Amino acid sequence: DGGITQSPKYLFRKEGQNVTLSCEQNLNHDAMYWYRQDPGQGLRLIYYSQIVNDFQKGDIAEGYSVSREKKESFPLTVTSAQKNPTAFYLCASSIYGGDYGYTFGSGTRLTVV
Amino acid sequence: AQSVTQLDSQVPVFEEAPVELRCNYSSSVSVYLFWYVQYPNQGLQLLLKYLSGSTLVKSINGFEAEFNKSQTSFHLRKPSVHISDTAEYFCAVRNPRGNTGTASKLTFGTGTRLQVTL
Repeated sequence: DGGITQSPKYLFRKEGQNVTLSCEQNLNHDAMYWYRQDPGQGLRLIYYSQIVNDFQKGDIAEGYSVSREKKESFPLTVTSAQKNPTAFYLCASSIYGGDYGYTFGSGTRLTVV
Repeated sequence: AQSVTQLDSQVPVFEEAPVELRCNYSSSVSVYLFWYVQYPNQGLQLLLKYLSGSTLVKSINGFEAEFNKSQTSFHLRKPSVHISDTAEYFCAVRNPRGNTGTASKLTFGTGTRLQVTL
């Protein structure tokens, strides 16, 4: 079955360490997105990519980085510059333009101690 | 710029009672509208969407939403809820693709937690 796989589901890291969250899709979707979810704040866009080797900053890109070397993969690195990284991270994908909405992964819960 | 407002952060309701989750949007151009549902510790699942045509759209599990352009609303309703409907519901909006082929991104509301009890 086609879908989006995020791994790991839970991630614990020490403060000051970089950490990379994985997102892989086999839907042949062109566009991929990373969102951060905090209680009471809904979803906030971190980065998005509409084609391979191209990506744009979203609303809260500071302290994060991404790459899009393959159509299927869009990893997110949470760097030590992100002041409050503990959150639930969601990856999504869509056909170009997203006319039919996004397909979401099951999320990664990152806890920084 | 587009935005979405979900005024109710939590909606408690008894099983088999009707429910309405409110969503209002602002946009200077035409819009596509979506409702997503999120169960605990999971991703979002598309519940229903309005792209064009009939303003009343329905999901397979009994939810429906009506696009009201004059009131810029897309409220979600269900005539009789079940315990299994307990979840968080997100309304989202985006502008259709422009002449250049580019498209704006989905903008989400802050979510409404529907709590169904016996």
